[in-house]
Amino acid sequence: QQPVQSPQAVILREGEDAVINCSSSKALYSVHWYRQKHGEAPVFLMILLKGGEQKGHEKISASFNEKKQQSSLYLTASQLSYSGTYFCGTGGRALTFGSGTRLQVQP
Amino acid sequence: DAGVIQSPRHEVTEMGQEVTLRCKPISGHDYLFWYRQTMMRGLELLIYFNNNVPIDDSGMPEDRFSAKMPNASFSTLKIQPSEPRDSAVYFCASSLVRADTGELFFGEGSRLTVL
Repeated sequence: QQPVQSPQAVILREGEDAVINCSSSKALYSVHWYRQKHGEAPVFLMILLKGGEQKGHEKISASFNEKKQQSSLYLTASQLSYSGTYFCGTGGRALTFGSGTRLQVQP
Repeated sequence: DAGVIQSPRHEVTEMGQEVTLRCKPISGHDYLFWYRQTMMRGLELLIYFNNNVPIDDSGMPEDRFSAKMPNASFSTLKIQPSEPRDSAVYFCASSLVRADTGELFFGEGSRLTVL
């Protein structure tokens, strides 16, 4: 089953923070996060393997709660370069992606 | 180090024609995936291979779609006959078996338009 992402879209000003959520109806053992800029391929951000573990990439971090079958991506002090669509992926080796969250950072 | 290479980047064809998309994974990677991306359905996994062997093709929409991986450095996705609803961006991705990553490396995609 496809994980569910929320919100579908976010518009931010530079320097603002955002949270993107990903939830699954199935037990999760790992969660991947990818970012796709317009007209480009998805690019790996991070993988979370353990419950509660937080990872970081630039000022982007994520958490993973196995019990709640959820992961959240935190974008802190957003920059223009953060604009794009963010996908979570679940399912182990062959990922099933959520529908994506479109993030737009404005000056 | 070259990334995943896909061809063609753009393909415009007419309904009923055969379409072949090609992919060269990153050298040494042992998993290869074909995804399709549309506005309506998002990123869908079509099929994936491990060491050139198809593992799961349950995402292939119908018999018009077929995929092969004759060797570790080449894969094809074929649509015959093509239909307008097949219009999408088709991504190939590869990965390496490692417990600590599993990162997918995507190619730049092949944008298919079926008229």
